[in-house]
Amino acid sequence: DVKVTQSSRYLVKRTGEKVFLECVQDMDHENMFWYRQDPGLGLRLIYFSYDVKMKEKGDIPEGYSVSREKKERFSLILESASTNQTSMYLCASSSRESGYTFGSGTRLTVV
Amino acid sequence: ILNVEQSPQSLHVQEGDSTNFTCSFPSSNFYALHWYRWETAKSPEALFVMTLNGDEKKKGRISATLNTKEGYSYLYIKGSQPEDSATYLCAFRGSNYQLIWGAGTKLIIKP
Repeated sequence: DVKVTQSSRYLVKRTGEKVFLECVQDMDHENMFWYRQDPGLGLRLIYFSYDVKMKEKGDIPEGYSVSREKKERFSLILESASTNQTSMYLCASSSRESGYTFGSGTRLTVV
Repeated sequence: ILNVEQSPQSLHVQEGDSTNFTCSFPSSNFYALHWYRWETAKSPEALFVMTLNGDEKKKGRISATLNTKEGYSYLYIKGSQPEDSATYLCAFRGSNYQLIWGAGTKLIIKP
């Protein structure tokens, strides 16, 4: 069963901590994405990657960075977590013609 | 700025009733329209990818129509069941291949 795996389902971090959210896909997809989802808002794109070592800013990149050293892994990094980064984070992957396959999400709380 | 609107924001439907809701999207530079179902505590699951004006897709009791000239898609659920309770997301894919998401319609089926 093909899938996208996010390393943590729930995470609680302190303000100022560096946070790593990991995402791994086993479908050999070129494209990977990080979104956040907040109540009343659509999925908002943070960063995406079309290839290894390649990254592009999405709509809300501020306060985040990403890393894609291998095709199957796309990491989201919060350099210094803040309370306004409390959210649900979703990773997805796709090929050029396919729909997106999502991970199960990480609910991050920054206290 | 490209905008994808979904209405209503939430919907309560009696079990057994049929229902429908709307996704509005830009009518220019259209490539595809995606529908996803997102159940609580699960990943968003792809329902349909629609590409042609006039397209109709069906999956069990769920169907969708597409009008690219006027920029809207309808999702229909016939004979709602409790397992249909979820948030239904649509996403517009333009010529740059990125998805722009609506905020979703939260459907609650009352027994």
